[in-house]
Amino acid sequence: DQQVKQNSPSLSVQEGRISILNCDYTNSMFDYFLWYKKYPAEGPTFLISISSIKDKNEDGRFTVFLNKSAKHLSLHIVPSQPGDSAVYFCAASPKTGANNLFFGTGTRLTVIP
Amino acid sequence: GAGVSQSPRYKVTKRGQDVTLRCDPISSHATLYWYQQALGQGPEFLTYFNYEAQPDKSGLPSDRFSAERPEGSISTLTIQRTEQRDSAMYRCASSPGTSGRETQYFGPGTRLLVL
Repeated sequence: DQQVKQNSPSLSVQEGRISILNCDYTNSMFDYFLWYKKYPAEGPTFLISISSIKDKNEDGRFTVFLNKSAKHLSLHIVPSQPGDSAVYFCAASPKTGANNLFFGTGTRLTVIP
Repeated sequence: GAGVSQSPRYKVTKRGQDVTLRCDPISSHATLYWYQQALGQGPEFLTYFNYEAQPDKSGLPSDRFSAERPEGSISTLTIQRTEQRDSAMYRCASSPGTSGRETQYFGPGTRLLVL
């Protein structure tokens, strides 16, 4: 039972354009959401997070949007750069048992120069 | 070291053998996590430690899986009587605090193949 879903396995975007990666969740107890980025042969690295008390968090070229009523979040990267090419994982944790992080299946982003 | 390290990086074993995987977290990090990641999937939580305490083992798939962190630093994950379905990437992560809301820093993983 996948509680965090990333329905697009891959996405290709031209350099300089916006990349939008989507994530849906089913568990209403999730109140903290994160995006991790993973390069080949490396472990995932933290990118950006958002608490359920907010609907937007921005860090440089990266912005995460949270729509609690739709149980949906998205990661916007603008402008996209070739170095952004990686697998992006969405993750969520619940209020109780916050140490248990639930990951999506990942979206492979390719930024075309 | 500067980051989380795991050993071995690759392990091939025969079905029925026991394997032990090792994780060296970032020094002074209080919390250590173990995840299992199947091909094409995201990491799936197995267990975690706050120092040497193990508050949550709910993700361990069977009693063949066990983990230790006896001195609150290095941790091992042992899989007894391995089965082919245990083949996966095993990832370790650590975080500085115990709230569950700090950034988790991941190691490169151990890829286990059970023949």
